[in-house]
Amino acid sequence: NAGVMQNPRHLVRRRGQEARLRCSPMKGHSHVYWYRQLPEEGLKFMVYLQKENIIDESGMPKERFSAEFPKEGPSILRIQQVVRGDSAAYFCASSPRGQGGSYEQYFGPGTRLTVT
Amino acid sequence: RKEVEQDPGPFNVPEGATVAFNCTYSNSASQSFFWYRQDCRKEPKLLMSVYSSGNEDGRFTAQLNRASQYISLLIRDSKLSDSATYLCVVDGNTDKLIFGTGTRLQVFP
Repeated sequence: NAGVMQNPRHLVRRRGQEARLRCSPMKGHSHVYWYRQLPEEGLKFMVYLQKENIIDESGMPKERFSAEFPKEGPSILRIQQVVRGDSAAYFCASSPRGQGGSYEQYFGPGTRLTVT
Repeated sequence: RKEVEQDPGPFNVPEGATVAFNCTYSNSASQSFFWYRQDCRKEPKLLMSVYSSGNEDGRFTAQLNRASQYISLLIRDSKLSDSATYLCVVDGNTDKLIFGTGTRLQVFP
């Protein structure tokens, strides 16, 4: 059973470009969470999605950031017009919760975004 | 007050020592509690869930005190490989997890 997969692992963008981060949850998991970790800081919740639904986006910046989890394919975190402050590690986690499964979240290896 | 508070450390201990980490949380409605471990520049990995009755997994023991909103992690017989940052994690509203900033542990020979 493959774990949570994220790609790319490293992404370099110039200021003003768009960044697209992808996350494929563990097999059988239908709940996806995105977190951001700035250097030397803790993880901050961004958004929680189920297939085709955003459940909680209270941690998402109001502008430039969006997320989706389509019926088919990976979850996408999209950052438009990136700025230097967006440089961080972005982690995706998945959970089987909702079908009587465990509540624990399992993390992917992260995407390290660098904005130059 | 932060939602989850931890002593950032670092805790520097010799191999074989026993070390304890503490964590407090602010949301009295939280129902799920975890300890995760994060190695430098890697993803967090679930170490153990924390149950009301306390639970043990090998050298690791977790305790929960709901009245004081306090969680602890005890590591016995520390190994060099235990060196990492330990994250106290509590559930927030709508299933999201709230992470503490972590306590850094360094085990030396």
